[in-house]
Amino acid sequence: DIQLAQSPSSLSASVGDSVSISCRASQGISNYLNWFQQKPGKAPKLLIYATSTLQSGVPSRFSGSGSGIDFTLTISSLQPEDFATYYCQQTYSVPQTFGGGTKVDIK
Amino acid sequence: QVQLQESGPGLVRPSGTLSLTCAVSGASIRSSNWWSWVRQSPGKGLEWIGEIVHSGSTNYNPSLQSRVTMSVDKSKNLFSLDLRSVTTADTAVYYCARYTMGSSWYFPDSWGQGTLVIVSS
Repeated sequence: DIQLAQSPSSLSASVGDSVSISCRASQGISNYLNWFQQKPGKAPKLLIYATSTLQSGVPSRFSGSGSGIDFTLTISSLQPEDFATYYCQQTYSVPQTFGGGTKVDIK
Repeated sequence: QVQLQESGPGLVRPSGTLSLTCAVSGASIRSSNWWSWVRQSPGKGLEWIGEIVHSGSTNYNPSLQSRVTMSVDKSKNLFSLDLRSVTTADTAVYYCARYTMGSSWYFPDSWGQGTLVIVSS
């Protein structure tokens, strides 16, 4: 299985801050890396697919970058509705796997 | 707009079979999309269970493969999950999702709201 190591596991930030979340794969996954936001009691919401393509309707303050094994989700100018848990996912090979999650809360 | 809705028993006895269905509206199960199940244990991360396409072809997580069966009902536009010999470790919120495939991408763009299944005697 391909392991995805997400870091940090949690972070505290203020509205307006820029934050970055890292996702490192245990082997190359080309650009088959997706990012999700999840709020308590809700299903994951797709933010970015194929490393850097913004899903329709997602604000442009979310961006993704990377290749190979190292990937980053960046949220510029955090908004109150962005406080949530974020997950990366690889769909390069079976079984698909998810990172352990990064909880973003209010400082 | 595609919508997915999970349904099934909220309580399953240990050693029993967990059976869930995912009703799809706003899209055809006969499309080229793949249809998947993902679960999340209480307070934990996400685990991919497996996927199926309208032809019946499947891919399962090897960690669950011996206990999992997925199927498609084209007449009812839904797909199903059976997980046999459950234990308390299978207690989780189960999500169904639709996957979209492209030349260099593969992602779940639509999710059901999730259904909590508790394994307990």
